[in-house]
Amino acid sequence: RKEVEQDPGPFNVPEGATVAFNCTYSNSASQSFFWYRQDCRKEPKLLMSVYSSGNEDGRFTAQLNRASQYISLLIRDSKLSDSATYLCVVIYSSASKIIFGSGTRLSIRP
Amino acid sequence: NAGVTQTPKFQVLKTGQSMTLQCAQDMNHNSMYWYRQDPGMGLRLIYYSASEGTTDKGEVPNGYNVSRLNKREFSLRLESAAPSQTSVYFCATTPPWGTEAFFGQGTRLTV
Repeated sequence: RKEVEQDPGPFNVPEGATVAFNCTYSNSASQSFFWYRQDCRKEPKLLMSVYSSGNEDGRFTAQLNRASQYISLLIRDSKLSDSATYLCVVIYSSASKIIFGSGTRLSIRP
Repeated sequence: NAGVTQTPKFQVLKTGQSMTLQCAQDMNHNSMYWYRQDPGMGLRLIYYSASEGTTDKGEVPNGYNVSRLNKREFSLRLESAAPSQTSVYFCATTPPWGTEAFFGQGTRLTV
């Protein structure tokens, strides 16, 4: 079993729709959680951190459920520019390992 | 302030050739990583280095060697390139408190 698992998609949704991704992790020692965005042929870039209390950044909401060991990302009012691959990332407390999910591809259609 | 710099950006090798991918960071971080990304596979950890002078294997280390020359530089070497090593390679670094990971722009390698 992979340490971090994501639905690979692709998700193909119309502009303006709400879309949600989940990611599960297997190691309870995991400390920090993030969502990264990766555009085609580019390096991943931080989208947002994920906190137990949940956090929101504009149209994006991230949540962490430590008991069930999953994190989620909700995108409201999706835009064409949201089309990308979204990577779930877990960093262990020692910061000696970063584990990436395989990514979820999102395509927003007009 | 360049962040993380990878060289080269593109490389074509013949089977059996060797090469070294260079990575340098000016962020004064201890932890550095090498990943490969194949289509549909996400990023897979090849090697990582928690500090100068230490390296550890990741998920897919076979066919690679690394050197943590100093705090700034972490190089990845392919001794005898194989077609299966065709991929995009990313170098990354994180600060000690385990927050955001910073990436180089990637090296696109074709064997």
